[in-house]
Amino acid sequence: AQSVTQLGSHVSVSEGALVLLRCNYSSSVPPYLFWYVQYPNQGLQLLLKYTSAATLVKGINGFEAEFKKSETSFHLTKPSAHMSDAAEYFCAVSYNQGGKLIFGQGTELSVKP
Amino acid sequence: KAGVTQTPRYLIKTRGQQVTLSCSPISGHRSVSWYQQTPGQGLQFLFEYFSETQRNKGNFPGRFSGRQFSNSRSEMNVSTLELGDSALYLCASSSRETQYFGPGTRLLVL
Repeated sequence: AQSVTQLGSHVSVSEGALVLLRCNYSSSVPPYLFWYVQYPNQGLQLLLKYTSAATLVKGINGFEAEFKKSETSFHLTKPSAHMSDAAEYFCAVSYNQGGKLIFGQGTELSVKP
Repeated sequence: KAGVTQTPRYLIKTRGQQVTLSCSPISGHRSVSWYQQTPGQGLQFLFEYFSETQRNKGNFPGRFSGRQFSNSRSEMNVSTLELGDSALYLCASSSRETQYFGPGTRLLVL
């Protein structure tokens, strides 16, 4: 079965430090890839997406992610963390338009002052 | 454009009751998907509707059902509620491959 793995259920960084959240997917077929962010008591907000165009994708709030087919990875990065980045981040894949998104278990990001 | 809206935002029910949740998609979006989010199981796909037809279904019991109307609004129903149905239920509407989520309905079953 297709799956998504996010390494680390909790990541803590200092304000101004690099943010790196890891995501690997299981299929050899290139999927559509997404990162979503969820703040407490809210729904999911789309950060960025990969849909077979450029492998380096830029999103909102200074985040970016790079699709690496050989590693089946789609890691999320941000050069300098801000306190407002503290939230839970979900990586997701789908293999068709609309339809079913398969989510990772989520990574909670804490930002220390 | 207005985003995805879900009503109600919070709901408290007792075991054995049934519940109906509503979702209004972004204008022009014809696909609506539903997800259940719990601390233990994470985000799990329930079903997807497109043009009033169920197009995909997740691995949930038949107590979970849904429908979509001609204006693309969708409802999901859970009958004979169990304690384990307590969760955040998220609706998403799609434009091509991208799903946009609503704020969710938090259901507590007592």
